[in-house]
Amino acid sequence: GENVEQHPSTLSVQEGDSAVIKCTYSDSASNYFPWYKQELGKGPQLIIDIRSNVGEKKDQRIAVTLNKTAKHFSLHITETQPEDSAVYFCAASWISGRFGAGTRLTVKP
Amino acid sequence: DGGITQSPKYLFRKEGQNVTLSCEQNLNHDAMYWYRQDPGQGLRLIYYSQIVNDFQKGDIAEGYSVSREKKESFPLTVTSAQKNPTAFYLCASTDAPRGTEAFFGQGTRLTVV
Repeated sequence: GENVEQHPSTLSVQEGDSAVIKCTYSDSASNYFPWYKQELGKGPQLIIDIRSNVGEKKDQRIAVTLNKTAKHFSLHITETQPEDSAVYFCAASWISGRFGAGTRLTVKP
Repeated sequence: DGGITQSPKYLFRKEGQNVTLSCEQNLNHDAMYWYRQDPGQGLRLIYYSQIVNDFQKGDIAEGYSVSREKKESFPLTVTSAQKNPTAFYLCASTDAPRGTEAFFGQGTRLTVV
């Protein structure tokens, strides 16, 4: 199945700063790259996704960039707020149902 | 409302007992998945099913069993062979094996007492 590596495992930023989480994948046939946010005690929810025919997608304070040549994609959160504190997971396509290991983001007020 | 429902939210099991976690979806999704999450850890795939009456082992299938007799239901049984079953269990579904959003249930927290 697809192998997805995610970094960093933990990230702490000051409120208002930006946060960047990176994922790399191995299967060049992967064509769908979602990001999920998991709040404490809840199931993950999709926050943004990108398909392989697009290099960047933005939705208010969050954006995802994709570099197919290098096989990596990143989540960018600008103007972070305390409610952005959560665990974030990436995935590459979905055929195997596997995610990256997750990044615990803490936004300090 | 369409969605995916897990029950119960909390479950306590005595050592040596089998327990079954329920997962139901009314999204008409073909694919369903079960994950285990330990405190501070990621999502580990237990089993998945891409179509009714068929399922595949994930990365940590030992001590677990599933069935997929109906499209909308994918129950997970934690057997007595699972030596450390205390964890948070999540079920998910997607419209297709790749390329679409996954919807997650709210999880079942299983504790062995």
